[in-house]
Amino acid sequence: EDQVTQSPEALRLQEGESSSLNCSYTVSGLRGLFWYRQDPGKGPEFLFTLYSAGEEKEKERLKATLTKKESFLHITAPKPEDSATYLCAVQASAGKSTFGDGTTLTVKP
Amino acid sequence: DAGITQSPRYKITETGRQVTLMCHQTWSHSYMFWYRQDLGHGLRLIYYSAAADITDKGEVPDGYVVSRSKTENFPLTLESATRSQTSVYFCASRENRVSEAFFGQGTRLTVV
Repeated sequence: EDQVTQSPEALRLQEGESSSLNCSYTVSGLRGLFWYRQDPGKGPEFLFTLYSAGEEKEKERLKATLTKKESFLHITAPKPEDSATYLCAVQASAGKSTFGDGTTLTVKP
Repeated sequence: DAGITQSPRYKITETGRQVTLMCHQTWSHSYMFWYRQDLGHGLRLIYYSAAADITDKGEVPDGYVVSRSKTENFPLTLESATRSQTSVYFCASRENRVSEAFFGQGTRLTVV
């Protein structure tokens, strides 16, 4: 059974204070690892897809990395508008994804 | 408007009633999904569909029914609503098996 564990559950940062979110996974035949952002009252929005260990992707202040067992979402010099819940999901050989419970990030000005 | 839309956005129903949540996408994506999200939890898959007339169970299918007669629509029916089905429901679509998913705005369902 595919499993995804995200840590920490909640993270509070001061504006400009860089940090990382973790996504640990076990899956048979990883086809892709996805990061989404979810704002309160809205559906998740796609951020990144990583397909193989060693791959990295960046978008503004966010950088996602992937190893064979985990993925990190690095947030550099965050701003209050980065406050959201960040969800990690793994895609195995079947058509469905398994999501983690998310990390809720709060960035204080 | 292009995208994926859910209706209604909010619904209150009584225990035992049948409720249908609607989902419509304009991209002709092959895959469509229904998730529920409860406080403090991530997204749990209820049902998914790989194409019209093809559906399969997810992690928590009990008490739910889906159909997909047309590629663009994927309604979710609660046959006899229970309080444990109070949740936020998200519909999503994806182009293929490994592409990213696009989510609707969600339906907040309360069963009283």
